[in-house]
Amino acid sequence: AQSVTQLGSHVSVSEGALVLLRCNYSSSVPPYLFWYVQYPNQGLQLLLKYTTGATLVKGINGFEAEFKKSETSFHLTKPSAHMSDAAEYFCAVSDPGGSYIPTFGRGTSLIVHP
Amino acid sequence: KAGVTQTPRYLIKTRGQQVTLSCSPISGHRSVSWYQQTPGQGLQFLFEYFSETQRNKGNFPGRFSGRQFSNSRSEMNVSTLELGDSALYLCASSLSRTGEVDTGELFFGEGSRLTVL
Repeated sequence: AQSVTQLGSHVSVSEGALVLLRCNYSSSVPPYLFWYVQYPNQGLQLLLKYTTGATLVKGINGFEAEFKKSETSFHLTKPSAHMSDAAEYFCAVSDPGGSYIPTFGRGTSLIVHP
Repeated sequence: KAGVTQTPRYLIKTRGQQVTLSCSPISGHRSVSWYQQTPGQGLQFLFEYFSETQRNKGNFPGRFSGRQFSNSRSEMNVSTLELGDSALYLCASSLSRTGEVDTGELFFGEGSRLTVL
């Protein structure tokens, strides 16, 4: 069975500072990996995904993530935080050889201070 | 292209009642999944429907049920509501095209927020 751990239920940064949201997974096979963002009173929106190929993945709104197989990690970064980045972020993993139904982490709330 | 549409957006029910939530997927998407989101448990998978058949099921009691129609629209029903059923119920659709690798990428609706009193 696969699982996802997001370190830190809340992350606080200043506007303009680096954003780093951590995601570690456990999976018996190289998984597909996703980051989703959820703004208040809205559904989830895909930020970026890794399926195969280049391990550094670029997404929308200046976010990127790097798949590190040896560390079983898929951390999300953004060089400079904006106030509009304040939201809930979810990491998810699906098993290419299994049911492909993604398992979600518990989420990390990003707080951006002016 | 219209996104995933969920109705109603908000509803209030009392314990013991039942509720039906509706989801219209993105045009052309054949798979519809339902998730329950609560502050304590995060996102929990309920079930997934594909071509009017339940293809995957999460670990929820039988009070939670769903169905999918021939136009891919889906409904979920919760009977004998309990206080703990208060949550945001999210529907998500995916292309899930036969013969293609399904990555698990989902397109979410805005959710139906259920409050049980």
